[in-house]
Amino acid sequence: GENVEQHPSTLSVQEGDSAVIKCTYSDSASNHFPWYKQELGKGPQLIIDIRSNVGEKKDQRIAVTLNKTAKHFSLHITETQPEDSAVYFCAASLGGGNKLTFGTGTQLKVEL
Amino acid sequence: GAVVSQHPSRVICKSGTSVKIECRSLDFQATTMFWYRQFPKQSLMLMATSNEGSKATYEQGVEKDKFLINHASLTLSTLTVTSAHPEDSSFYICSASRSLAGPDTQYFGPGTRLTVL
Repeated sequence: GENVEQHPSTLSVQEGDSAVIKCTYSDSASNHFPWYKQELGKGPQLIIDIRSNVGEKKDQRIAVTLNKTAKHFSLHITETQPEDSAVYFCAASLGGGNKLTFGTGTQLKVEL
Repeated sequence: GAVVSQHPSRVICKSGTSVKIECRSLDFQATTMFWYRQFPKQSLMLMATSNEGSKATYEQGVEKDKFLINHASLTLSTLTVTSAHPEDSSFYICSASRSLAGPDTQYFGPGTRLTVL
């Protein structure tokens, strides 16, 4: 089955700095890679996703890059703000299907 | 768009009782719904996948007779935890997708905190 590794597990940055979270996956058939933000006590919220036919996608301060050859994808948040503080999960589709395998999560803390 | 709701948001029950959790897609038709369980400071673990009008598919290690799933319509799926025990206490989250098979985006509900005394 799919295995998704996520690093780092915790990340502390100063407000205004950039944050980068990296994930690797094992199933070469995976073709959908969403990122979710989860605040304490709430459900995950989709923030951006990328499919295997592109290498990069950007939405304002958030960008995701995908390297299919190396089987890794990354989340980039620029100009971080305190409200970006949360747990971020990467995920990869299981083969070409609709199930997702999640990474272990990254606790991001943006300090003033 | 793509709003998913869950009810209740929090439930406390006695050991041995059953609890039903509802998951609704409010502004789209959800061909497929997923149920996850999340323990504190851990990732999401998929419990089962349900397609409208058919039986749910359970992940390995998940007891189908304990976690009953019904996906009766394109906007509603329910999870019933039968004969709940303290070890079933967890955060249960559903997600919904428009796609039956392909990798469509999953939209998550706000979660249900279950505490079994």
